[in-house]
Amino acid sequence: SQQGEEDPQALSIQEGENATMNCSYKTSINNLQWYRQNSGRGLVHLILIRSNEREKHSGRLRVTLDTSKKSSSLLITASRAADTASYFCAYYQGAQKLVFGQGTRLTINP
Amino acid sequence: DAGVTQSPTHLIKTRGQQVTLRCSPKSGHDTVSWYQQALGQGPQFIFQYYEEEERQRGNFPDRFSGHQFPNYSSELNVNALLLGDSALYLCASSLVTDTQYFGPGTRLTVL
Repeated sequence: SQQGEEDPQALSIQEGENATMNCSYKTSINNLQWYRQNSGRGLVHLILIRSNEREKHSGRLRVTLDTSKKSSSLLITASRAADTASYFCAYYQGAQKLVFGQGTRLTINP
Repeated sequence: DAGVTQSPTHLIKTRGQQVTLRCSPKSGHDTVSWYQQALGQGPQFIFQYYEEEERQRGNFPDRFSGHQFPNYSSELNVNALLLGDSALYLCASSLVTDTQYFGPGTRLTVL
């Protein structure tokens, strides 16, 4: 079963707009990661944020982490058609097991 | 620098058969993890191999087994296939427990 929760499950926006996805988790974590998946293929690692960080940027991506609320958000600015994909948050449960949420399906409309 | 590779890309089997999926880790990585992703769901952890030993296992039956070779490549074996085993099987490699790099996956269809 999934132990991470992404919200919303699906998001459709116009090209150029910003997209925000949220993730909640249930346990203490050392870090939280975001992945992208195109058309049911392999996952691409986007960004990792450690538990002692509150915000991290990478290009058009901005990730925040609130460990008191056990939540994280991923913001994609100035969206492009190529950003259409599913986005997953993931965290380690123990040292080896990466736990994923069900993902947010993002559609960018031209 | 080659990333994680998996073979085959697609596979069709019938119920009761056995299947072997293969994974070559990213250069320099010594740890391989396997995940099952059903349609519309997030990946679920099957198990992880390090130094040719299974280090941790997810909630999967013994029909799922694996192996890691001295060159760090890995195999996932599934016996007595069920319709519910139809999924995308993902392999990921890592060196430390920070970032796992995923391969393109093997799409298994059980008829």
